[in-house]
Amino acid sequence: NAGVTQTPKFQVLKTGQSMTLQCAQDMNHNSMYWYRQDPGMGLRLIYYSASEGTTDKGEVPNGYNVSRLNKREFSLRLESAAPSQTSVYFCASSEGPGKQYGYTFGSGTRLTVV
Amino acid sequence: QKEVEQDPGPLSVPEGAIVSLNCTYSNSAFQYFMWYRQYSRKGPELLMYTYSSGNKEDGRFTAQVDKSSKYISLFIRDSQPSDSATYLCAMRGQTGANNLFFGTGTRLTIIP
Repeated sequence: NAGVTQTPKFQVLKTGQSMTLQCAQDMNHNSMYWYRQDPGMGLRLIYYSASEGTTDKGEVPNGYNVSRLNKREFSLRLESAAPSQTSVYFCASSEGPGKQYGYTFGSGTRLTVV
Repeated sequence: QKEVEQDPGPLSVPEGAIVSLNCTYSNSAFQYFMWYRQYSRKGPELLMYTYSSGNKEDGRFTAQVDKSSKYISLFIRDSQPSDSATYLCAMRGQTGANNLFFGTGTRLTIIP
C-alpha cells in the first residue's frame, strides 16, 4: 500500500523557471492538501482540495497554483519560481471533513530555487 | 500570536527517561488534537489523536488534553533511540474545518 506518493523527491530550479509537483494517493481519500515546511515556521498550508473538483487557498497561496486532476491526483505548480519558494513541500490526504481526523503525508519534495 | 505554540527544542534525554512534549493554543474552538512524528527527511506520520479533553494511552505514549488551560502534552515512557525525531502537535475545529493547525515541532534526541 503506497499511501501518498510525491514526485520528484528533489529539484533545483533557476529563478523564473516553472515546474509542477505531482501527488497521488491510493487510499480513496476525498481531501488533499499541499503544505510547505520551513525551519522555524512549521507546516503551512498552501492549497487544499476538500473533494474532487474543488480547490481552495490556504495560508500561503501566492506564487502557486493547483489542479485536482481526479480523486487520486493533486498537483502543485510554480509558474515563476523565486528563491523564497525554496522549501520542502508535502502533499497530504484525508478521508474528508468529519470522517478522518488525521492526514497521511507523502515523503516530500525538496525544492531549491537559485 | 500564532494559533499553536510549541517549544522547538532541541531536547536531548538519556535512553529510558520519560519525555514530556507540550503545546499551547489560543483558539477555544479546537476539538481534535493530534501528535505527529517526523523522522529526518521523511513526511510526518500520525502518532496519536484525541477528541476534546482527557487522556489517551497507546503503548509507551500518552496524550493529554487540558482544554481549560488550552494545553496539550505527549508523554513517552521508557524512551528509545528510535524515538529520536521531530514531534509536531496539530489541532482543528469541530466542523467544516479541513485545515489542521500545526505547531512548529520539537526536535527530540534520545541518547543511548
